[in-house]
Amino acid sequence: SQQGEEDPQALSIQEGENATMNCSYKTSINNLQWYRQNSGRGLVHLILIRSNEREKHSGRLRVTLDTSKKSSSLLITASRAADTASYFCATAQGGNKLVFGAGTILRVKS
Amino acid sequence: KAGVTQTPRYLIKTRGQQVTLSCSPISGHRSVSWYQQTPGQGLQFLFEYFSETQRNKGNFPGRFSGRQFSNSRSEMNVSTLELGDSALYLCASSSGLETGELFFGEGSRLTVL
Repeated sequence: SQQGEEDPQALSIQEGENATMNCSYKTSINNLQWYRQNSGRGLVHLILIRSNEREKHSGRLRVTLDTSKKSSSLLITASRAADTASYFCATAQGGNKLVFGAGTILRVKS
Repeated sequence: KAGVTQTPRYLIKTRGQQVTLSCSPISGHRSVSWYQQTPGQGLQFLFEYFSETQRNKGNFPGRFSGRQFSNSRSEMNVSTLELGDSALYLCASSSGLETGELFFGEGSRLTVL
């Protein structure tokens, strides 16, 4: 079964707007990662945040982690049409086993 | 540096048959993980191999098996295929023991008729 829930399930925004996706998980984690998947293709790693970190930035991406609430959020600023994809959070359970959330489908309209 | 290569990309099988999928990790990576992606169940962990040893296994029946060779290439096998095995099978490689960034291949899309 999946570890987490992602919210919203789908998001449609205009180019230039910000997109925020949320992820909740159930058990303690080593780290939490976000991945992007373009229509039925492989996943691309976006960012990793460790359990002792609260916020991390990478380009237009900002990730926060609240271990007390077992939740994380991914913010994409100034979105582009090329950001249209599915976004997944994944929690590390040990070894290289990741437990993925259900994903958020993001559509950026130009 | 070449990425993770999965073959075949697409395949169609019938119920009861078996299938073998192959994954070549990024050069130097010793960990290979396999995931199944379906519309209903999402992304689910199948198993992970590190230095030819299975290190983790997901909650899948014994029909799903895998192995890793000395050159880190990995194969997974599904026997006695069922309609529900239709999915995108994703392979990911990683360099180290601790869970960090995984590098995914484009996947093998299996359709079972």
